[in-house]
Amino acid sequence: EIVLTQSPGTLSLSPGERATLSCRASQSVASNFLAWYQQKPGQAPRLLIDGISRRATGIPDRFSGSGSGTDFTLTITRLEPEDFALYYCQHYGSSPFTFGPGTTLAIK
Amino acid sequence: QVQLQESGPGQVRPSETLSLTCTVAEGSMDAYWWSWLRQSAGKGLEWIGRIYSSGNTNYNPSLKSRVAMSVDTSKSQFSLKLTSVTAADTAVYYCARGGTIFAHWGQGTLVTVSS
Repeated sequence: EIVLTQSPGTLSLSPGERATLSCRASQSVASNFLAWYQQKPGQAPRLLIDGISRRATGIPDRFSGSGSGTDFTLTITRLEPEDFALYYCQHYGSSPFTFGPGTTLAIK
Repeated sequence: QVQLQESGPGQVRPSETLSLTCTVAEGSMDAYWWSWLRQSAGKGLEWIGRIYSSGNTNYNPSLKSRVAMSVDTSKSQFSLKLTSVTAADTAVYYCARGGTIFAHWGQGTLVTVSS
């Protein structure tokens, strides 16, 4: 089973700033099968990015993903108030598909 | 836009079976994978397993001995059964469309294991 770790646990920034969230896998993720989700309180997770860098339908271009192998990054440029939430990475290259513990993006 | 809705008891007694149903609206179930996931404070987000519209299944090895999924496309529903539950199974349970990535989710339902 691939274990995902995310850092930092909490990131405190101001609207308009740039956020960089990291996800590290315990072994190489097959075929770039890495996704990112956003979750707000009381809501289900929302798919942001799959295939490391492909934005899901309706996701603004201030969200971007990058990385390869075991190290991946979600970047949010020009933070909007609605971007402050919890973010998870997920691998889906092999079963079981696992999620990281999450990074909380908090308003500074 | 496909919509999913979980339903089932909010409380289950220890050692009993948790049963949930997901109803799919505004879309066909055919030729899609459908998944169950759960989220708890202790274990975070966890993929439980998936079922194809034809009935093929894959389960998380950590739960495989206790999980069964079924699908009824005529009713636009798929279901989850988890046997021999303990307090560790207390979580918000989600159904979702997809077998690997999950672009459409239900709102989630809290299931508490307690006597």
